[in-house]
Amino acid sequence: DIQMTQSPSSLSASVGDRVTITCRASQVIGGYLAWYQQIPGTVPKLLIYAASTLQSGVPSRFSGSGSGTDFTLTINSLQAEDVATYYCQKYNSAPLTFGGGTKVEIK
Amino acid sequence: EVQLLESGGGLVQPGGSLRLSCAASGFTFSSYAMSWVRQAPGKGLEWVSAISGSGATTYFGDSVKGRFTISRDNSKNTLFLQMHNMRAEDTAIYYCATGLRGAFDHWGQGTLATVSS
Repeated sequence: DIQMTQSPSSLSASVGDRVTITCRASQVIGGYLAWYQQIPGTVPKLLIYAASTLQSGVPSRFSGSGSGTDFTLTINSLQAEDVATYYCQKYNSAPLTFGGGTKVEIK
Repeated sequence: EVQLLESGGGLVQPGGSLRLSCAASGFTFSSYAMSWVRQAPGKGLEWVSAISGSGATTYFGDSVKGRFTISRDNSKNTLFLQMHNMRAEDTAIYYCATGLRGAFDHWGQGTLATVSS
């Protein structure tokens, strides 16, 4: 099975900083990569699908890139409301594996 | 508006069984594959199982293969997860989820299953 590895597992940044989270698949998954945001105590929310397509209603400071095995989620100008854990997920075929998560905090 | 409402969680002893349900509304249920995703306390997301729109094809994660079954009743717009031989490590919030493009743009609120003696 394909493994999804996220890094870092946690980070602390200042409001206004640019934050980058990476996700690596152990095999090629094409562009079938999604990013989710989970604010503490809430249900996960889809941010990006197809590696780089912003889900409707998601602020434009979020962006995704990559293909094949290496993917990136970028938050331009981090805001206080972005404190959350972020997960990547492959969905090209089962198992629809999630990455281990990246916890983002404000410095 | 798409709504997914899970039910059936509760406390079960190790080795016991539990059946979760997910009532769907606001979309053509039979057209969508559905999944179950779980989250153990303080841990990350784990995909558990998926089923095709027709119900003909099912998929399972390695940690639940052989113990869990997934099914759906398209006449009642309801998804099920039957869990047998449950273990302490199955303790989690269980979410049903779906999406038109494969990624999960719709999630339920979750139901908590606790395995403990």
